[in-house]
Amino acid sequence: DSGVTQTPKHLITATGQRVTLRCSPRSGDLSVYWYQQSLDQGLQFLIQYYNGEERAKGNILERFSAQQFPDLHSELNLSSLELGDSALYFCASSVGGTAVGYTFGSGTRLTVV
Amino acid sequence: TQLLEQSPQFLSIQEGENLTVYCNSSSVFSSLQWYRQEPGEGPVLLVTVVTGGEVKKLKRLTFQFGDARKDSSLHITAAQPGDTGLYLCAGNTGFQKLVFGTGTRLLVSP
Repeated sequence: DSGVTQTPKHLITATGQRVTLRCSPRSGDLSVYWYQQSLDQGLQFLIQYYNGEERAKGNILERFSAQQFPDLHSELNLSSLELGDSALYFCASSVGGTAVGYTFGSGTRLTVV
Repeated sequence: TQLLEQSPQFLSIQEGENLTVYCNSSSVFSSLQWYRQEPGEGPVLLVTVVTGGEVKKLKRLTFQFGDARKDSSLHITAAQPGDTGLYLCAGNTGFQKLVFGTGTRLLVSP
């Protein structure tokens, strides 16, 4: 157990639907990062939050949004889902910035049918 | 966009063999990390290298950061089936995010 909890572990939904992925960071970590991993694209950075505020944005689609709550858990919202959104979505946390390394959760496998 | 290219993409070897995985970029990174990912799990941090030319050893794994901090290598001595997994390098851009490499999938057969 890495200390980063992601739910649900698996999600199957239809095109056009909306889903919410949840992440609880490791105790004491203030930064949360969301990554998308697909077979042909590798690990792609989506967005980072630090202590409730958005800090960095990657190649996140407009259909996707995220937030970090006062208790530091984070949610990634994916809407108007397309077949191509099927992927593994990982959350990672760290104490501060990138230099100390990330602790990843086990991921949410999203399948859009 | 910084790109981290890893080679080889796939490696299938027998237990006891040695191997080296390379991670190359045209960009300079303030630090570089290596992760290993097993099926169904998230990547797990193995090491962070910070100084150009730095060499770090973790049991049978040796990590080196290039002098110019643009590249890195991972050498595994006497590979074991437990080393099987996806190896990812990740560069610290200094802009609040890690850029991950393309990955090297290693299979070590008994």
